[in-house]
Amino acid sequence: DAKTTQPPSMDCAEGRAANLPCNHSTISGNEYVYWYRQIHSQGPQYIIHGLKNNETNEMASLIITEDRKSSTLILPHATLRDTAVYYCIVRVGFGAGGTSYGKLTFGQGTILTVHP
Amino acid sequence: DAGVTQSPTHLIKTRGQHVTLRCSPISGHKSVSWYQQVLGQGPQFIFQYYEKEERGRGNFPDRFSARQFPNYSSELNVNALLLGDSALYLCASSIGTGSSPLHFGNGTRLTVT
Repeated sequence: DAKTTQPPSMDCAEGRAANLPCNHSTISGNEYVYWYRQIHSQGPQYIIHGLKNNETNEMASLIITEDRKSSTLILPHATLRDTAVYYCIVRVGFGAGGTSYGKLTFGQGTILTVHP
Repeated sequence: DAGVTQSPTHLIKTRGQHVTLRCSPISGHKSVSWYQQVLGQGPQFIFQYYEKEERGRGNFPDRFSARQFPNYSSELNVNALLLGDSALYLCASSIGTGSSPLHFGNGTRLTVT
């Protein structure tokens, strides 16, 4: 079962920031938070991941609360091409505890619709 | 740089037949994983291979099998196809160490009639 909770859908105006929340209240100390998105008929696209510090790359920013029980993915200037299903996933690193293999458990995700 | 490539992109098979799906990982990636995505749901984990050895298996019947070759490419085989096997089959590759993310291909759309 997925270990994260996300709103089923969100809307955003083009050019504005999109803030996608994720709850992962049962996250373990060795689990990372990953964000992926999937545009219709394509494979999931990796966006960003983090452990406990905030992270930023060319696509997005990831804000993780101090207690690590929730996080927010921020798309600073949303465009129509950002319309997709966004998945928040928690996962241990490869080889953690000697048995981890990096399995991703997908939930239902958040359908983000960016409007003109 | 080339991403994860999968072949074929689309496939139509009949119940009871066998199918082989192929995946080429990103250069330098030693881990390959397979996922099944049925319409309206998130991808479900099937297998993970690292350095040619199976490291993880999801809750799928023995009709599903896979292997990884010395060049790190991979095949997913499904025997005795059922209508319920119709799905998008996704391959993902990763360096396979630490927190390295998985990178997905665009999948093979399998339709079983």
